[in-house]
Amino acid sequence: NAGVTQTPKFQVLKTGQSMTLQCAQDMNHNSMYWYRQDPGMGLRLIYYSASEGTTDKGEVPNGYNVSRLNKREFSLRLESAAPSQTSVYFCASSGDPNYNEQFFGPGTRLTVL
Amino acid sequence: GDSVTQMEGPVTLSEEAFLTINCTYTATGYPSLFWYVQYPGEGLQLLLKATKADDKGSNKGFEATYRKETTSFHLEKGSVQVSDSAVYFCALSDQGFQKLVFGTGTRLLVSP
Repeated sequence: NAGVTQTPKFQVLKTGQSMTLQCAQDMNHNSMYWYRQDPGMGLRLIYYSASEGTTDKGEVPNGYNVSRLNKREFSLRLESAAPSQTSVYFCASSGDPNYNEQFFGPGTRLTVL
Repeated sequence: GDSVTQMEGPVTLSEEAFLTINCTYTATGYPSLFWYVQYPGEGLQLLLKATKADDKGSNKGFEATYRKETTSFHLEKGSVQVSDSAVYFCALSDQGFQKLVFGTGTRLLVSP
């Protein structure tokens, strides 16, 4: 039981390049989330998926797209990376619709030059 | 909108000292409250939670009581260890909204 896994762990991009961050969970959770963590800002929600087949914008969606590929997988895509997207990205999942206890992956550290 | 306010860090303590990290919240409904901990280089882990007023969450010697009258959920531990050094996040989840709102985090540094 691996919980929530993310790939890659580290990535360096040049401005304008694209990439996809992968996330998978093996807990049969309905809801999945993408956050970014910046110093002094806490975690900010980028996108979330309340169930398979649905996605919704969070607090900071601009410059990102997501795909809920199936119940297990939720990917985050940067179409044209910008230095402002340098951050640590966390994926999370939740199977509790009432209290929303979330389980987090280990994170992807992204640097955009 | 909903928000969570935590005390600024870092909080620096000696081993075996008493810890308090303050957390207050603003919410329109009746939220569930959480403390998450992030160790260096890792993701967030749920430390404890409380789902209704006057509930006390506890885990690994940490405690927090859901105080509706003061809209607070302060984290306490009677005797910290070096291994408790981490960043602690307070968060809330309002009923019906499948999202968490996080505070900015408080870094705890414990020296031997």
